Amino acid sequence: EVQLLESGGGLVQSGGSLRLSCAASGFRFSSYAMTWVRQAPGRGLEWVSAISGSGGSTNYADSVKGRFTISRDNSKNTLYLQINSLRAEDTAVFYCAKATGDLGAEQTFDYWGQGTLVTVSS
Amino acid sequence: DIQMTQSPSTLSASVGDRVTITCRASQRISTWLAWFQQKPGKAPNLLIYKASSLESGVPSRFSGSGSGTEFTLTISSLQPDDFATYYCQQYYSWFTFGPGTKLEIK
Repeated sequence: EVQLLESGGGLVQSGGSLRLSCAASGFRFSSYAMTWVRQAPGRGLEWVSAISGSGGSTNYADSVKGRFTISRDNSKNTLYLQINSLRAEDTAVFYCAKATGDLGAEQTFDYWGQGTLVTVSS
Repeated sequence: DIQMTQSPSTLSASVGDRVTITCRASQRISTWLAWFQQKPGKAPNLLIYKASSLESGVPSRFSGSGSGTEFTLTISSLQPDDFATYYCQQYYSWFTFGPGTKLEIK
């Protein structure tokens, strides 16, 4: 059974940093791209970042480019998102999700974690 | 960047109704479109991929159609469990979600 478990969220001051983690199990982690999607309170879904199975290819939404860094440790089956220079508008639930294949092919997201809440206070 | 729109933004319907949600892309995306269902406080759940393929375990009352720039999600006979918010997503060029359609009980 595929399981994704996010952690690392919390309350942080504007300008601060956080590292989110997503522990994966139930599938061959290194064979699949992974992604982060966020959802501000009462709002819709926003794709944030994606990384290839090997970790060698990454991409970011324009809204987070330069502040967020996605990475993965395939030996630990864990996905990460380093978030720097946090702003009030970054307040959201952050979900990790597994892609249906590796990056570079047209893939959507078939399994999602339960999400971790990041709250940025000013 | 590819922009996605959905209509309506809110839909009121009754159990047993047939409902259709429309999603439009700002440029042609072939059939690289997915539909997700999300309930309050829960993660999204994949319903349909490649515009019309039903994800494993999803009830057959859900169906998708379309290609190019216009797509639809149809629920043939609404069940109480179907009242939720529905998002379309293009994955032709990276990823973009639509703004969502909230399906409410009439």
